[in-house]
Amino acid sequence: DGGITQSPKYLFRKEGQNVTLSCEQNLNHDAMYWYRQDPGQGLRLIYYSQIVNDFQKGDIAEGYSVSREKKESFPLTVTSAQKNPTAFYLCASSYGQGWVTEAFFGQGTRLTVV
Amino acid sequence: GQQVMQIPQYQHVQEGEDFTTYCNSSTTLSNIQWYKQRPGGHPVFLIQLVKSGEVKKQKRLTFQFGEAKKNSSLHITATQTTDVGTYFCAGLNAGKSTFGDGTTLTVKP
Repeated sequence: DGGITQSPKYLFRKEGQNVTLSCEQNLNHDAMYWYRQDPGQGLRLIYYSQIVNDFQKGDIAEGYSVSREKKESFPLTVTSAQKNPTAFYLCASSYGQGWVTEAFFGQGTRLTVV
Repeated sequence: GQQVMQIPQYQHVQEGEDFTTYCNSSTTLSNIQWYKQRPGGHPVFLIQLVKSGEVKKQKRLTFQFGEAKKNSSLHITATQTTDVGTYFCAGLNAGKSTFGDGTTLTVKP
């Protein structure tokens, strides 16, 4: 089945630890994105990538890092520098350049930092 | 930076009533996309509008893009309980898209 997979669905970490969220797609999409969603709010862009080995900061990149070494994979690391990391994280991908076609979202990872 | 405002934040309707959510951008948009997110789920693409004044329909859903390409609306006729969820718009400007905060629709049977 083609799609975009995020893992794990739920993640718990202690404060001060870095954590990496996985995002894999087999849709052959060039563009991939990471969003953060807080309760009652919209999606805020963390990072995006339009091609392998290249990525750009979104609106709230501080405290996060990404890599795009393969077309299929776009992992997000939430570092200890992120002041309020507890949130719902959504990965998405789309065909062609960013946002000109529909985005397909993963199921999301709910991160809780205690 | 680009701002996309969406109103209302919440809408409670009786089943069978109509529902409309509005999206307004501070800048002219290249396109606008609409997504639906069911409770506990992830956003799912509904439609994309590109042309000024464009109107598209999907069964009971009608999407409009304003003449100035700065606003858009989603109208649902005769809501059903399956319509519950949060509806988001996302506007593309200068190579980056910004999501509105969404309108959460609840439907009373």
